[in-house]
Amino acid sequence: GAVVSQHPSWVICKSGTSVKIECRSLDFQATTMFWYRQFPKQSLMLMATSNEGSKATYEQGVEKDKFLINHASLTLSTLTVTSAHPEDSSFYICSAKGQSKGNTIYFGEGSWLTVV
Amino acid sequence: GENVEQHPSTLSVQEGDSAVIKCTYSDSASNYFPWYKQELGKGPQLIIDIRSNVGEKKDQRIAVTLNKTAKHFSLHITETQPEDSAVYFCAASRGVLNAGGTSYGKLTFGQGTILTVHP
Repeated sequence: GAVVSQHPSWVICKSGTSVKIECRSLDFQATTMFWYRQFPKQSLMLMATSNEGSKATYEQGVEKDKFLINHASLTLSTLTVTSAHPEDSSFYICSAKGQSKGNTIYFGEGSWLTVV
Repeated sequence: GENVEQHPSTLSVQEGDSAVIKCTYSDSASNYFPWYKQELGKGPQLIIDIRSNVGEKKDQRIAVTLNKTAKHFSLHITETQPEDSAVYFCAASRGVLNAGGTSYGKLTFGQGTILTVHP
């Protein structure tokens, strides 16, 4: 397998503030990272795809100014939820793939965001 | 775009029984089909995957079968144990062959199956 780490595992923030979630590939270089959102008892919803060094590609209906994604290096991608509101509370999960791992997609452990 | 349907939504079995989860996909160009196990509050964990050049793959108690003509694939878990209880997701993706090998794009997930194994 491969190791994909997310930080923080959970975070509580106040409405109107911004919060950053990190996704790191620990044992491989991830050319592509994906960010998902998951509501309780539901499937994973792809938010955006990010390739190292280029702008993220957002899925339809996802606000790019609301969910800022940066993939500045081959081992790190960040998701910043700007001006967070309670409806942004969710489980955010990243995944990553790299050639050295056969381009298989591996997931992080997820980050719980609660906006109060 | 791709659409993946997964059934059943919930599955309850006795320890030692087999469990089968089925998925269908719509895009005939999809050629990579992973299965993930997700425990409560955790990220999905890849348990097995299959590519469209094979019809079946097995790893100990877990097997996956693929019918490209019918566009469906199934997860089979034998001799189930209580620790198999989790949510299972199927997914489909389209791979592109390039100089570095095959690169798979975004995954389209099924709706998930809550598997409960009773001791």
